[in-house]
Amino acid sequence: QQKVQQSPESLIVPEGGMASLNCTFSDRNSQYFWWYRQHSGEGPKALMSIFSNGDKKEGRFTAHLNKASLHVSLHIKDSQPSDSALYFCAVRGNSAGNKLTFGIGTRVLVRP
Amino acid sequence: DPKIIQKPKYLVAVTGSEKILICEQYLGHNAMYWYRQSAKKPLEFMFSYSYQKLMDNQTASSRFQPQSSKKNHLDLQITALKPDDSATYFCASSQAGTANTEVFFGKGTRLTVV
Repeated sequence: QQKVQQSPESLIVPEGGMASLNCTFSDRNSQYFWWYRQHSGEGPKALMSIFSNGDKKEGRFTAHLNKASLHVSLHIKDSQPSDSALYFCAVRGNSAGNKLTFGIGTRVLVRP
Repeated sequence: DPKIIQKPKYLVAVTGSEKILICEQYLGHNAMYWYRQSAKKPLEFMFSYSYQKLMDNQTASSRFQPQSSKKNHLDLQITALKPDDSATYFCASSQAGTANTEVFFGKGTRLTVV
């Protein structure tokens, strides 16, 4: 059974600063990794995906994947107050149903 | 325009009663899912359907029954409600049969059982 752990639980970042979120997963056969963001009162929305080892950059967001160390991270550069949200790491399985397994989330607060 | 519509947004139910949570998606997807979000717990996978057939069920209790009357509908019937069932329930959808595509979520139904 896939287990996804996230750290830290919460993070306060000054506006314009860098936020770094970490995630470890347990299944070495995992291939598809996603970061989701959830604002209060809304459903989770995909921020970005990463499937290959290394870095993937999309605007101010950079994901990093290291399958050998079972680790994926998300870095938010030049953080904005609108980035304040709950961020989830999620791993999508290959078995029937292709379910997403989520971590518990990191709550990010960007202080103006 | 929301592409995944969940109704109602809020629901209060009495212990022991039965409720149906409604979900419709207009993304043209053939896979639909239910997830549950409770305080201090990760988003928890409940069911997945592909082309209106059950693919995976991670819910231990038979009190939770998905119902797919049309290919873009996946409702969730919950019977004999308990206070522990209080949570926000999210419906989601994606393309079927592939794990490298995005799963889209609705805004959720917040259920409170008193």
